[in-house]
Amino acid sequence: AQSVTQLDSHVSVSEGTPVLLRCNYSSSYSPSLFWYVQHPNKGLQLLLKYTSAATLVKGINGFEAEFKKSETSFHLTKPSAHMSDAAEYFCVVSLDSGGYNKLIFGAGTRLAVHP
Amino acid sequence: DVKVTQSSRYLVKRTGEKVFLECVQDMDHENMFWYRQDPGLGLRLIYFSYDVKMKEKGDIPEGYSVSREKKERFSLILESASTNQTSMYLCASRTLLAGDPQETQYFGPGTRLLVL
Repeated sequence: AQSVTQLDSHVSVSEGTPVLLRCNYSSSYSPSLFWYVQHPNKGLQLLLKYTSAATLVKGINGFEAEFKKSETSFHLTKPSAHMSDAAEYFCVVSLDSGGYNKLIFGAGTRLAVHP
Repeated sequence: DVKVTQSSRYLVKRTGEKVFLECVQDMDHENMFWYRQDPGLGLRLIYFSYDVKMKEKGDIPEGYSVSREKKERFSLILESASTNQTSMYLCASRTLLAGDPQETQYFGPGTRLLVL
């Protein structure tokens, strides 16, 4: 069965330092993987997605993620954090369920960015 | 830009009341979804709809029903609200047209429901 595990419920970084949000997935076949971001009082926004093309995926706002099949990981990174990156981030795997791609969400990682 | 709106940002109801949560999308999307979001649990799918008058149960449909009479509108109904339905409810929509990745769902801002 497909599932995702976000290894940290909270991550705190200083502005200008790198960001690493960790995600491991479980899938019986080559999955489609996503990262969504949720800013306070706003809906979820797609950051990036992996669908079996390039293993390094670039998204919006300088974020990127690398698909590593051997480690079943899809960690989200950014070289330099900005105050506006403070939000909750969700790692998501897509499950093919009878012709419909169902999304399975991780529990979320709340990112705090300090001056 | 795709716009998904939800009728209320905050709602307070009493146990046993019938509750309607409305979602409207303006991009003629075929698919619509209702999720609930709880701390430490991420988002869980309640119901979804392939198209008008079509609905499918998600992972946690108990205590909920839905209605899709028009393509742009998807309603979530709590027949008799209970305190364990206090949560954030998120609506999403998705198109199946070529050029838009099938998996990309567009989310509304959410409705935070408190059942007393």
